Amino acid sequence: AQTVTQSQPEMSVQEAETVTLSCTYDTSESNYYLFWYKQPPSRQMILVIRQEAYKQQNATENRFSVNFQKAAKSFSLKISDSQLGDTAMYFCAFMKGGSQGNLIFGKGTKLSVKP
Amino acid sequence: ETGVTQSPTHLIKTRGQQVTLRCSSQSGHNTVSWYQQALGQGPQFIFQYYREEENGRGNFPPRFSGLQFPNYSSELNVNALELDDSALYLCASSPGQLFNNEQFFGPGTRLTVL
Repeated sequence: AQTVTQSQPEMSVQEAETVTLSCTYDTSESNYYLFWYKQPPSRQMILVIRQEAYKQQNATENRFSVNFQKAAKSFSLKISDSQLGDTAMYFCAFMKGGSQGNLIFGKGTKLSVKP
Repeated sequence: ETGVTQSPTHLIKTRGQQVTLRCSSQSGHNTVSWYQQALGQGPQFIFQYYREEENGRGNFPPRFSGLQFPNYSSELNVNALELDDSALYLCASSPGQLFNNEQFFGPGTRLTVL
């Protein structure tokens, strides 16, 4: 069975600074996908970034980038130039490859961006 | 393009009752997944429907059941409600034609069981 672990229940960062959220996962699959989702207080889960395990290049979306270490089964999210609107719960998630299937989520990290 | 919508926004039930939650998928999406998110936890997969058939199920008892309709909207039914069923229920839709598509989430239904 796959598991996703987020070891930082809460983090805070000053506006315009950079913050890194940690995620580790455990799987015996070789084909899988990893995601970071953001859940603001409005509750709507929004995809931040996605990484295919077969790609060596780390995914980047504007101010968001990942550090994907496949051998270490680590998938951290870096947020650069943090903005007040980045305040939210962040969830790391795993999906087995070749499926339409389910996401396996970590417990989340609550990020607060302070002015 | 209309996103994923869910109804109701929140509701309160008592233990032993039955509840039906509804989800309208995003236009063009034929796959709907349901998740339960307990307070302070990440979402947990309940089941998925693809073209009106159940296409995978998580570790939830049979009193959690679902339907998907020809227009790809979906219902989650929970019978014999228990206090531990209190949670945010999230619906997510995806195109489904290819594997590993992004899932688009609705705003959720907050269920409180007293």
